[in-house]
Amino acid sequence: ETGVTQSPTHLIKTRGQQVTLRCSSQSGHNTVSWYQQALGQGPQFIFQYYREEENGRGNFPPRFSGLQFPNYSSELNVNALELDDSALYLCASRPGLAGFTSGANVLTFGAGSRLTVL
Amino acid sequence: AQSVTQLGSHVSVSEGALVLLRCNYSSSVPPYLFWYVQYPNQGLQLLLKYTSAATLVKGINGFEAEFKKSETSFHLTKPSAHMSDAAEYFCAVSVLANQGGKLIFGQGTELSVKP
Repeated sequence: ETGVTQSPTHLIKTRGQQVTLRCSSQSGHNTVSWYQQALGQGPQFIFQYYREEENGRGNFPPRFSGLQFPNYSSELNVNALELDDSALYLCASRPGLAGFTSGANVLTFGAGSRLTVL
Repeated sequence: AQSVTQLGSHVSVSEGALVLLRCNYSSSVPPYLFWYVQYPNQGLQLLLKYTSAATLVKGINGFEAEFKKSETSFHLTKPSAHMSDAAEYFCAVSVLANQGGKLIFGQGTELSVKP
């Protein structure tokens, strides 16, 4: 089975621009989460999508938005980029909304998209 | 609110020595706890998880962690370090079973292994 794939792997933008990051979830996974990992920090939860609907959001402003498509792939869009948006953006998928006591229901992470804002 | 504190942003051990990475959590309800490893230019890989079953949890690559409620700790250990263990390690917590996509991560501990 294929894992979680993200694109692009690296990109550079300037302040005020917009960016779209893409994620293909692992086969059989219908739930996708996005995380922001600033340099030297742990990942921070941005939001989660389940069956094309946002299902939970972290403490990020509305200029961070997302989409999930019928094939469960997902996009993260960030408008009006700021210097502090420079980070590694991680996508993670899992089989559903069931709890963690289900042995298979853990997050599978992609390698991330590294965004630099100048 | 839930939180995770990892003590020590950098830990250095010799090859063959004990690895101990510390994690303390704050939660008003029983938590789910995780350890993830991140190698350079890669995503996060799950090492192990605690979901209210056995308090001593065994993971991949010889790692294990013990949930101690009285100490609110979930420290990660490995009896003998290997050079390939050099990486960044993250402890994470979740308290909502149906919000499993939302993990709260610690700041991370970088493990160096000296030959």
